Amino acid sequence: EPEVTQTPSHQVTQMGQEVILRCVPISNHLYFYWYRQILGQKVEFLVSFYNNEISEKSEIFDDQFSVERPDGSNFTLKIRSTKLEDSAMYFCASSGNMETGGNYGYTFGSGTRLTVV
Amino acid sequence: KQEVTQIPAALSVPEGENLVLNCSFTDSAIYNLQWFRQDPGKGLTSLLLIQSSQREQTSGRLNASLDKSSGRSTLYIAASQPGDSATYLCAFLGSGTYKYIFGTGTRLKVLA
Repeated sequence: EPEVTQTPSHQVTQMGQEVILRCVPISNHLYFYWYRQILGQKVEFLVSFYNNEISEKSEIFDDQFSVERPDGSNFTLKIRSTKLEDSAMYFCASSGNMETGGNYGYTFGSGTRLTVV
Repeated sequence: KQEVTQIPAALSVPEGENLVLNCSFTDSAIYNLQWFRQDPGKGLTSLLLIQSSQREQTSGRLNASLDKSSGRSTLYIAASQPGDSATYLCAFLGSGTYKYIFGTGTRLKVLA
């Protein structure tokens, strides 16, 4: 079964440093997403990306965050200057397929645990 | 603002019991609803997806139903097993949006 792959599985960074979280969505999916889950809290939407642009973003997704699809397979989330409160599990997801174009259920990756110290 | 609530927050049952997990949402303009399983420190595994035009979906021992008029979905787990122990999350996707709204989850423990 196709998978969404995220790397690294765990990243530790110092406050103020830039981090890039990487994701390889399912190859024929059209829609890409980032979510995060702070320990013990709900899974929260960050951003959705379609047709090479952001289609929707949350209040959390401020100027410190950016997303990019640098080639045909990768989808990245960059945090420019990390803060302690950015420590969380970050999930990438993708949905839809080229044949139907529909926004159906998501397939999530296994997550990157980001620890800011 | 869309709210998704899951009841109960935690549940501990002996092996073999049939379980019902509840999810309620405030916005009736639903596109679909998805149930996920999350093991501690791990990612999200999709269990069942119900489109707004459907009333239920089944996969093995799992059955999910959707009642749009009352704003509720239930996940029924038959003959529970210790391997079912995990947190179960429901996520609501409204019409005209790309983002799922997640509930806080039900933490299930099935005792051998």
